[in-house]
Amino acid sequence: AQTVTQSQPEMSVQEAETVTLSCTYDTSENNYYLFWYKQPPSRQMILVIRQEAYKQQNATENRFSVNFQKAAKSFSLKISDSQLGDTAMYFCAFMKQRSNYKLTFGKGTLLTVNP
Amino acid sequence: GAGVSQSPSNKVTEKGKDVELRCDPISGHTALYWYRQSLGQGLEFLIYFQGNSAPDKSGLPSDRFSAERTGGSVSTLTIQRTQQEDSAVYLCASSSERDGPQFFGPGTRLTVL
Repeated sequence: AQTVTQSQPEMSVQEAETVTLSCTYDTSENNYYLFWYKQPPSRQMILVIRQEAYKQQNATENRFSVNFQKAAKSFSLKISDSQLGDTAMYFCAFMKQRSNYKLTFGKGTLLTVNP
Repeated sequence: GAGVSQSPSNKVTEKGKDVELRCDPISGHTALYWYRQSLGQGLEFLIYFQGNSAPDKSGLPSDRFSAERTGGSVSTLTIQRTQQEDSAVYLCASSSERDGPQFFGPGTRLTVL
C-alpha cells in the first residue's frame, strides 16, 4: 500500500515571500502520478499541480512549482510571491497507474499567508 | 462550464437514521469518486465508478455504506443506520479519463447527533 507523509502540519509565510511545503511518499510502483491540492476554508478541493512520475522535468503552474525527486520519493511544492489567497490547507496526493485510480492523500499542511 | 455539484451542503441527522448524499459530476466525465474527510482519518477513498463498469467498492468502511450511479452521471451515496463516527465531510470528484486529474465538489458536511 502507498503512504503519503506531510511532515509540516502548519506553516506561515509573509506575503510576497516564497515557501516550500514538503511531501514524501512510499511506494513500490514505478508508474504513478503525484498531485498537490489546495483546500481553502470554503472546503472546495482545488488542483494546484500534477506530476507524472515518468517525467524528469518538474511541473510548474504560474507561481507554483514542484521539486520531484523520484529516487528519494520526495515531492515538494514551492509557492513563489505568496498571496493572501494562498492561505489554505495543502494536500499532497499519490495515484497509482492502471489501478482504480484512487488518490491517496497526506494529512495536509495548513499554510497561512500573513500580510 | 459547471463544476461538480453536491447536495445537500450540510446534513444533520440523528443516530440510526438513513441519509442520501448526491453528486452531479462534470458533464461528460466518465469517472466518479467518493471520498470521506474526517479529523481523525484525513481523506479516505470510498468508491470509484468508471463508465458502465462495476464500481470499485474497496474503500467502503462497512456494509451500511452503498452508492449507485444512474445513467453514468449522477451518483448517490447512501449511509444506513448512521453512527456518530460517520460524521465527516463527504467529497465527490469526477475525471474525464482514468488517470486524469480529479475535480472535486464542495462536499457535504454530515453531522450525526
